Amino acid sequence: KAGVTQTPRYLIKTRGQQVTLSCSPISGHRSVSWYQQTPGQGLQFLFEYFSETQRNKGNFPGRFSGRQFSNSRSEMNVSTLELGDSALYLCASSIQGAAYNEQFFGPGTRLTVL
Amino acid sequence: TQLLEQSPQFLSIQEGENLTVYCNSSSVFSSLQWYRQEPGEGPVLLVTVVTGGEVKKLKRLTFQFGDARKDSSLHITAAQPGDTGLYLCAGENAGNMLTFGGGTRLMVKP
Repeated sequence: KAGVTQTPRYLIKTRGQQVTLSCSPISGHRSVSWYQQTPGQGLQFLFEYFSETQRNKGNFPGRFSGRQFSNSRSEMNVSTLELGDSALYLCASSIQGAAYNEQFFGPGTRLTVL
Repeated sequence: TQLLEQSPQFLSIQEGENLTVYCNSSSVFSSLQWYRQEPGEGPVLLVTVVTGGEVKKLKRLTFQFGDARKDSSLHITAAQPGDTGLYLCAGENAGNMLTFGGGTRLMVKP
């Protein structure tokens, strides 16, 4: 079974631009979560989508948004990029109905904001 | 806000040494997960512990969940260079949300 895939793997943007990242979960996984990872703050939860609905949201500004499609693929968007948005953005999928919320991560998208 | 504190933050040891990584919180978790992340990759789930006092072993790795389900430890016996990576603990709350610790960066030198 193929793992979680994320595109693109690397991205360079300038301040003020917007960016869209894509994530395809493991086949059969309907829950998709997004995380931001930085050296200073570690791994921080952005939001979770299930059945095309945002189910949980972390403490990030409204510039960060996401959506999920009917095939469970998900995208996240960051508008008006700031230097501090430079990070590794990780997507993870999980099995709905499992006993525990075990996350299967993709390789991440490395975003650099100049 | 639930916080998970990991210690130490950095650990550099020689091949063959033993080590323990700690994950502590003042909150109770329904489960505690351990992940390992290598450079350029996403975290990979190692184990999930769910019962207070539970001990799980994966080859040279031993995971323990505290009796009160607030803390956990990871012990590696006879560390090898292949164990090098970032070790993350994550606590799951009643709402199925995960809180990640800050991570322990382990380097095992040959």
